[in-house]
Amino acid sequence: QKEVEQNSGPLSVPEGAIASLNCTYSDRVSQSFFWYRQYSGKSPELIMSIYSNGDKEDGRFTAQLNKASQYVSLLIRDSQPSDSATYLCAVNGNDYKLSFGAGTTVTVRA
Amino acid sequence: EAGVVQSPRYKIIEKKQPVAFWCNPISGHNTLYWYLQNLGQGPELLIRYENEEAVDDSQLPKDRFSAERLKGVDSTLKIQPAELGDSAVYLCASSHGTQATDTQYFGPGTRLTVL
Repeated sequence: QKEVEQNSGPLSVPEGAIASLNCTYSDRVSQSFFWYRQYSGKSPELIMSIYSNGDKEDGRFTAQLNKASQYVSLLIRDSQPSDSATYLCAVNGNDYKLSFGAGTTVTVRA
Repeated sequence: EAGVVQSPRYKIIEKKQPVAFWCNPISGHNTLYWYLQNLGQGPELLIRYENEEAVDDSQLPKDRFSAERLKGVDSTLKIQPAELGDSAVYLCASSHGTQATDTQYFGPGTRLTVL
Protein backbone atom coordinates (compact mmCIF):
# COMPACT_ATOMS: atom_id res chain seq x y z
CA GLN A 1 0.00 0.00 0.00
CA LYS A 2 1.33 3.39 -0.94
CA GLU A 3 2.07 5.79 1.87
CA VAL A 4 1.96 9.49 1.18
CA GLU A 5 3.32 11.89 3.75
CA GLN A 6 2.94 15.65 3.72
CA ASN A 7 4.64 18.26 5.84
CA SER A 8 2.58 18.98 8.88
CA GLY A 9 0.78 22.26 9.02
CA PRO A 10 -0.72 24.60 9.38
CA LEU A 11 1.47 26.76 7.17
CA SER A 12 0.99 30.48 7.59
CA VAL A 13 2.49 32.85 5.02
CA PRO A 14 2.06 36.59 4.44
CA GLU A 15 0.29 37.77 1.32
CA GLY A 16 2.67 37.95 -1.62
CA ALA A 17 5.11 35.38 -0.19
CA ILE A 18 5.94 31.91 -1.47
CA ALA A 19 4.23 28.92 0.13
CA SER A 20 6.20 25.68 -0.11
CA LEU A 21 4.48 22.33 0.32
CA ASN A 22 6.26 19.00 0.45
CA CYS A 23 5.19 15.41 -0.11
CA THR A 24 7.02 12.10 0.01
CA TYR A 25 5.73 8.73 -1.12
CA SER A 26 6.77 5.17 -0.40
CA ASP A 27 5.98 3.27 -3.63
CA ARG A 28 8.84 3.52 -6.11
CA VAL A 29 6.68 2.48 -9.07
CA SER A 30 4.32 5.44 -8.63
CA GLN A 31 3.68 7.06 -11.98
CA SER A 32 1.42 10.06 -11.54
CA PHE A 33 1.37 12.83 -9.00
CA PHE A 34 -1.36 15.31 -8.30
CA TRP A 35 -1.95 18.31 -6.10
CA TYR A 36 -5.53 18.99 -5.10
CA ARG A 37 -6.82 22.06 -3.28
CA GLN A 38 -9.68 21.65 -0.83
CA TYR A 39 -11.48 24.58 0.68
CA SER A 40 -13.18 23.98 4.01
CA GLY A 41 -16.39 22.04 3.51
CA LYS A 42 -15.77 21.60 -0.21
CA SER A 43 -14.53 18.76 -2.39
CA PRO A 44 -10.95 18.41 -3.68
CA GLU A 45 -10.17 20.36 -6.84
CA LEU A 46 -7.21 19.49 -9.08
CA ILE A 47 -4.67 22.28 -9.44
CA MET A 48 -1.59 20.48 -10.79
CA SER A 49 -0.52 17.13 -12.16
CA ILE A 50 3.04 16.03 -12.91
CA TYR A 51 4.38 12.81 -14.39
CA SER A 52 8.05 13.44 -15.22
CA ASN A 53 11.03 14.52 -13.17
CA GLY A 54 11.59 18.25 -13.06
CA ASP A 55 9.44 21.32 -12.74
CA LYS A 56 6.02 22.10 -14.15
CA GLU A 57 4.65 25.60 -13.96
CA ASP A 58 1.04 26.76 -14.25
CA GLY A 59 0.46 30.38 -13.41
CA ARG A 60 1.49 30.99 -9.81
CA PHE A 61 1.86 27.27 -9.12
CA THR A 62 4.98 25.17 -9.70
CA ALA A 63 5.13 21.45 -9.08
CA GLN A 64 8.49 19.72 -8.69
CA LEU A 65 9.04 15.97 -8.97
CA ASN A 66 12.10 13.95 -8.02
CA LYS A 67 11.36 10.24 -8.47
CA ALA A 68 14.79 9.16 -7.24
CA SER A 69 14.12 10.85 -3.92
CA GLN A 70 10.41 9.95 -4.04
CA TYR A 71 9.55 13.55 -3.46
CA VAL A 72 7.07 15.97 -4.95
CA SER A 73 6.52 19.58 -3.98
CA LEU A 74 4.25 22.47 -4.75
CA LEU A 75 5.25 26.12 -4.69
CA ILE A 76 2.65 28.86 -4.61
CA ARG A 77 4.15 32.19 -5.63
CA ASP A 78 2.64 35.58 -4.77
CA SER A 79 0.29 33.90 -2.30
CA GLN A 80 -3.18 35.40 -2.09
CA PRO A 81 -5.82 35.11 0.65
CA SER A 82 -7.85 33.01 -1.79
CA ASP A 83 -5.06 30.41 -1.66
CA SER A 84 -5.97 29.67 1.96
CA ALA A 85 -7.05 26.03 1.84
CA THR A 86 -5.86 22.50 2.49
CA TYR A 87 -3.57 21.10 -0.19
CA LEU A 88 -3.67 17.35 -0.77
CA CYS A 89 -0.85 15.43 -2.42
CA ALA A 90 -2.04 12.35 -4.32
CA VAL A 91 -0.03 9.56 -5.92
CA ASN A 92 -1.12 6.98 -8.49
CA GLY A 93 0.66 3.83 -9.56
CA ASN A 94 0.20 0.70 -11.61
CA ASP A 95 -2.74 -0.30 -9.44
CA TYR A 96 -4.64 2.82 -10.59
CA LYS A 97 -5.33 3.56 -6.94
CA LEU A 98 -4.98 7.21 -6.00
CA SER A 99 -3.48 7.50 -2.51
CA PHE A 100 -3.76 10.80 -0.70
CA GLY A 101 -1.74 12.42 2.01
CA ALA A 102 -3.46 13.95 5.00
CA GLY A 103 -3.07 17.44 3.56
CA THR A 104 -1.33 20.63 4.58
CA THR A 105 -3.46 23.59 5.57
CA VAL A 106 -2.22 26.91 4.25
CA THR A 107 -3.30 30.27 5.65
CA VAL A 108 -2.34 33.41 3.76
CA ARG A 109 -2.26 36.45 6.04
CA ALA A 110 -3.41 39.73 4.48
CA GLU B 1 -19.72 20.65 -18.80
CA ALA B 2 -21.60 19.54 -15.71
CA GLY B 3 -19.51 18.17 -12.89
CA VAL B 4 -20.01 15.12 -10.73
CA VAL B 5 -23.37 15.28 -9.00
CA GLN B 6 -24.04 13.77 -5.60
CA SER B 7 -27.07 13.61 -3.37
CA PRO B 8 -27.97 14.14 -0.68
CA ARG B 9 -25.44 16.75 0.42
CA TYR B 10 -26.09 16.10 4.09
CA LYS B 11 -27.60 13.17 5.95
CA ILE B 12 -28.20 12.66 9.64
CA ILE B 13 -29.31 9.23 10.81
CA GLU B 14 -29.35 7.19 13.96
CA LYS B 15 -27.05 4.22 14.32
CA LYS B 16 -28.28 0.92 12.94
CA GLN B 17 -30.34 2.75 10.29
CA PRO B 18 -29.66 2.24 6.58
CA VAL B 19 -28.46 5.07 4.34
CA ALA B 20 -27.82 5.43 0.63
CA PHE B 21 -25.81 7.91 -1.41
CA TRP B 22 -26.23 8.60 -5.11
CA CYS B 23 -23.69 9.75 -7.68
CA ASN B 24 -23.95 10.83 -11.31
CA PRO B 25 -20.50 11.10 -12.93
CA ILE B 26 -19.37 13.48 -15.63
CA SER B 27 -20.88 12.50 -18.97
CA GLY B 28 -18.62 10.12 -20.86
CA HIS B 29 -16.54 9.16 -17.83
CA ASN B 30 -16.29 5.40 -17.67
CA THR B 31 -14.51 5.13 -14.35
CA LEU B 32 -16.25 5.95 -11.09
CA TYR B 33 -14.83 6.01 -7.60
CA TRP B 34 -16.27 6.19 -4.10
CA TYR B 35 -14.05 7.66 -1.40
CA LEU B 36 -14.46 8.20 2.31
CA GLN B 37 -12.89 11.27 3.91
CA ASN B 38 -12.56 11.66 7.65
CA LEU B 39 -11.92 15.04 9.20
CA GLY B 40 -8.30 16.10 8.83
CA GLN B 41 -7.47 13.22 6.50
CA GLY B 42 -7.19 12.70 2.78
CA PRO B 43 -9.81 10.72 0.87
CA GLU B 44 -9.54 6.93 1.03
CA LEU B 45 -10.75 4.76 -1.82
CA LEU B 46 -13.68 2.46 -1.08
CA ILE B 47 -14.47 1.10 -4.53
CA ARG B 48 -13.60 1.72 -8.19
CA TYR B 49 -15.83 0.92 -11.15
CA GLU B 50 -14.89 0.56 -14.77
CA ASN B 51 -18.24 0.81 -16.52
CA GLU B 52 -20.50 -1.63 -14.65
CA GLU B 53 -17.69 -3.71 -13.17
CA ALA B 54 -16.33 -3.16 -9.67
CA VAL B 55 -12.62 -3.68 -10.41
CA ASP B 56 -11.32 -2.75 -6.97
CA ASP B 57 -13.46 -3.14 -3.87
CA SER B 58 -10.69 -4.34 -1.59
CA GLN B 59 -11.20 -1.43 0.82
CA LEU B 60 -14.99 -1.70 0.98
CA PRO B 61 -16.25 -3.12 4.32
CA LYS B 62 -18.52 -5.67 2.73
CA ASP B 63 -20.29 -6.67 5.91
CA ARG B 64 -22.19 -3.38 5.92
CA PHE B 65 -21.32 -1.50 2.75
CA SER B 66 -22.55 -2.26 -0.74
CA ALA B 67 -22.41 -0.43 -4.03
CA GLU B 68 -23.80 -0.77 -7.50
CA ARG B 69 -23.43 0.93 -10.84
CA LEU B 70 -26.22 -0.23 -13.04
CA LYS B 71 -25.90 0.54 -16.76
CA GLY B 72 -22.42 1.92 -16.13
CA VAL B 73 -23.53 5.46 -15.35
CA ASP B 74 -25.08 6.37 -11.99
CA SER B 75 -23.93 4.68 -8.83
CA THR B 76 -25.35 4.10 -5.37
CA LEU B 77 -23.39 3.43 -2.19
CA LYS B 78 -25.31 1.92 0.71
CA ILE B 79 -24.54 1.36 4.36
CA GLN B 80 -26.67 -1.02 6.37
CA PRO B 81 -26.62 -0.80 9.32
CA ALA B 82 -24.77 2.45 9.94
CA GLU B 83 -22.38 2.72 12.89
CA LEU B 84 -21.14 5.79 14.76
CA GLY B 85 -17.73 5.42 13.12
CA ASP B 86 -19.26 5.80 9.65
CA SER B 87 -19.68 9.55 10.20
CA ALA B 88 -17.58 11.10 7.44
CA VAL B 89 -17.81 12.72 4.04
CA TYR B 90 -18.47 10.31 1.18
CA LEU B 91 -17.01 11.55 -2.07
CA CYS B 92 -17.74 10.32 -5.56
CA ALA B 93 -15.24 10.94 -8.34
CA SER B 94 -15.04 10.07 -12.01
CA SER B 95 -12.40 9.92 -14.70
CA HIS B 96 -12.56 9.47 -18.45
CA GLY B 97 -10.36 6.41 -18.61
CA THR B 98 -8.43 3.99 -16.48
CA GLN B 99 -4.86 5.18 -16.92
CA ALA B 100 -2.83 6.26 -13.93
CA THR B 101 -2.50 9.67 -15.53
CA ASP B 102 -6.24 10.23 -15.84
CA THR B 103 -7.49 13.06 -13.68
CA GLN B 104 -10.17 12.26 -11.15
CA TYR B 105 -12.86 14.89 -10.73
CA PHE B 106 -14.69 14.99 -7.42
CA GLY B 107 -18.29 15.68 -6.60
CA PRO B 108 -19.36 17.90 -3.68
CA GLY B 109 -19.67 14.94 -1.32
CA THR B 110 -22.29 13.74 1.15
CA ARG B 111 -21.64 14.57 4.77
CA LEU B 112 -22.99 11.73 6.91
CA THR B 113 -23.60 12.11 10.62
CA VAL B 114 -24.53 8.99 12.56
CA LEU B 115 -26.02 9.68 16.00
